[in-house]
Amino acid sequence: DTEVTQTPKHLVMGMTNKKSLKCEQHMGHRAMYWYKQKAKKPPELMFVYSYEKLSINESVPSRFSPECPNSSLLNLHLHALQPEDSALYLCASSRFGTSGGNEQFFGPGTRLTVL
Amino acid sequence: DQQVKQNSPSLSVQEGRISILNCDYTNSMFDYFLWYKKYPAEGPTFLISISSIKDKNEDGRFTVFLNKSAKHLSLHIVPSQPGDSAVYFCAAIWGAGSYQLTFGKGTKLSVIP
Repeated sequence: DTEVTQTPKHLVMGMTNKKSLKCEQHMGHRAMYWYKQKAKKPPELMFVYSYEKLSINESVPSRFSPECPNSSLLNLHLHALQPEDSALYLCASSRFGTSGGNEQFFGPGTRLTVL
Repeated sequence: DQQVKQNSPSLSVQEGRISILNCDYTNSMFDYFLWYKKYPAEGPTFLISISSIKDKNEDGRFTVFLNKSAKHLSLHIVPSQPGDSAVYFCAAIWGAGSYQLTFGKGTKLSVIP
């Protein structure tokens, strides 16, 4: 199994809703990442988990809350989002912890629309 | 300050010919470089990478060249196929213990049948 899966594929939510994005990988990777990508821009790093511990939070607003229940799963809990949070949310994983020189493999993304 | 630059936002190439995508970087600490391909509304797909101790890496139709002195790398696709039409992102990492990919803004490649 060499892929990263994400659910749901599409999500539409109101500003008062609470929803969660899910990511799963079974490659034995020990680092997992959340990125946000706007149209015609490169992905922007949000969070990094290394060995199931949050190691990086790139000054992301608290309305985004990550969770890593185990080494294969990564969630992103969403609450009170703003319309400008609408974007493609990408999950990625890499083999080692936060060691350099290893490739990150991306999931297909969740297209989020906040009304 | 953009540390990884892809100065051509788009490139059109005839099917069967060579596609050359360029990337420049400013941070001399970068020691590992990657190319990703992205279709609309999908996640980036890893294509090929190169360590700074090498100057060339080849994988099938894809070859990446690194010129450290010029802080320049390029991705060659030969022969180009219509299915190669996508946005290509160059990315860089520096240092052991680093997690962060620094991406360029991407180049949209169109392969014309």
